[in-house]
Amino acid sequence: KQEVTQIPAALSVPEGENLVLNCSFTDSAIYNLQWFRQDPGKGLTSLLLIQSSQREQTSGRLNASLDKSSGRSTLYIAASQPGDSATYLCAPGTGNQFYFGTGTSLTVIP
Amino acid sequence: GAVVSQHPSWVICKSGTSVKIECRSLDFQATTMFWYRQFPKQSLMLMATSNEGSKATYEQGVEKDKFLINHASLTLSTLTVTSAHPEDSSFYICSASGRGLTGANVLTFGAGSRLTVL
Repeated sequence: KQEVTQIPAALSVPEGENLVLNCSFTDSAIYNLQWFRQDPGKGLTSLLLIQSSQREQTSGRLNASLDKSSGRSTLYIAASQPGDSATYLCAPGTGNQFYFGTGTSLTVIP
Repeated sequence: GAVVSQHPSWVICKSGTSVKIECRSLDFQATTMFWYRQFPKQSLMLMATSNEGSKATYEQGVEKDKFLINHASLTLSTLTVTSAHPEDSSFYICSASGRGLTGANVLTFGAGSRLTVL
């Protein structure tokens, strides 16, 4: 069974800082990996989807990398803003079925 | 873009009653729907996968007689929590996959339903 670990569990940074969220997973036989954002009490917002054949994906200030063989992914957020405050979830997937980590709770201080 | 509507967004019920949660794909045909559960401060856990017209496949440890899943049409799947108890209180999220209007594969998550059992 896929086990997903996200480090750190919580992170607090001043506005403007660049930061890195880490994700590791135990089963490297994945088709893709997705990063989500979850605001308190809300559903999921998909941020980036990386196919297993890709090394990274970029969207605006976000950049996600994938090292499938070592079971690792990172989410890089540039020039953080207070609006980035949320929980970020990493989810390796086998097609359309995803397994989630416990997330990193990010607080960006104005 | 592809939209999945989940209803109700929150529900409070008495212990022993049954609660039904709906998941609808609004602008695409969802051949497969997934149901997840999230306890406070924990990750989302996949409960079951359902394909339209077939019986759902449940993950290990999820009681199929407790959590009834119906996927009778390409736009609707329902999760019924039968004889709900306080320990069933959780955040339930569905996701739907299928082909969108352009023919491309889509996978979209609903906004979730928060169940509180008194």
